[in-house]
Amino acid sequence: AQSVSQHNHHVILSEAASLELGCNYSYGGTVNLFWYVQYPGQHLQLLLKYFSGDPLVKGIKGFEAEFIKSKFSFNLRKPSVQWSDTAEYFCAASGGYQKVTFGTGTKLQVIP
Amino acid sequence: NAGVTQTPKFQVLKTGQSMTLQCAQDMNHNSMYWYRQDPGMGLRLIYYSASEGTTDKGEVPNGYNVSRLNKREFSLRLESAAPSQTSVYFCASSEDRGLLETQYFGPGTRLLVL
Repeated sequence: AQSVSQHNHHVILSEAASLELGCNYSYGGTVNLFWYVQYPGQHLQLLLKYFSGDPLVKGIKGFEAEFIKSKFSFNLRKPSVQWSDTAEYFCAASGGYQKVTFGTGTKLQVIP
Repeated sequence: NAGVTQTPKFQVLKTGQSMTLQCAQDMNHNSMYWYRQDPGMGLRLIYYSASEGTTDKGEVPNGYNVSRLNKREFSLRLESAAPSQTSVYFCASSEDRGLLETQYFGPGTRLLVL
């Protein structure tokens, strides 16, 4: 069965620290990968997505993610976080015409 | 262009009561979805509608029914609410159910069942 795992449930960082949030998926065949973000009091919005091509994907607000097929991973990174990055981050995956499966989310707290 | 709208924003129900959550999108999207979000469990798909006139069960459909009224609207009904249905409900839409699976989410409905 398809699944998405996010192993970090809660991450606390100081401003300017580097960020890496883990995401692993279990899918057979072609996979489409996403990172969504939910800022406090707001609804989910897309950060970035990978369908094909360059495995290093750049998204909004300085975020990027790397698709490593051999590791079934799609980790989210940002070189220097800001207080405004405090949010909950969801990794998601879909295979072909199947519905999207979301991970359980990682809450990021950035301390000024 | 409002995107995805949901009503109501908040609701308190007593066990056994019924209610309908409304969702509408103005992006001419074919596919619409209902999720529930619970602490530590992320988003779980309740039902989805790949296109007007079709609906399919997701991961947690028990206790819910849906209606795809037209291309714009997708409602979620709780016939007999239970405390286990206390959650935040999100509606989403996407252009297609296929590769273009970027989903656009509504603001959510917070439901408390006593």
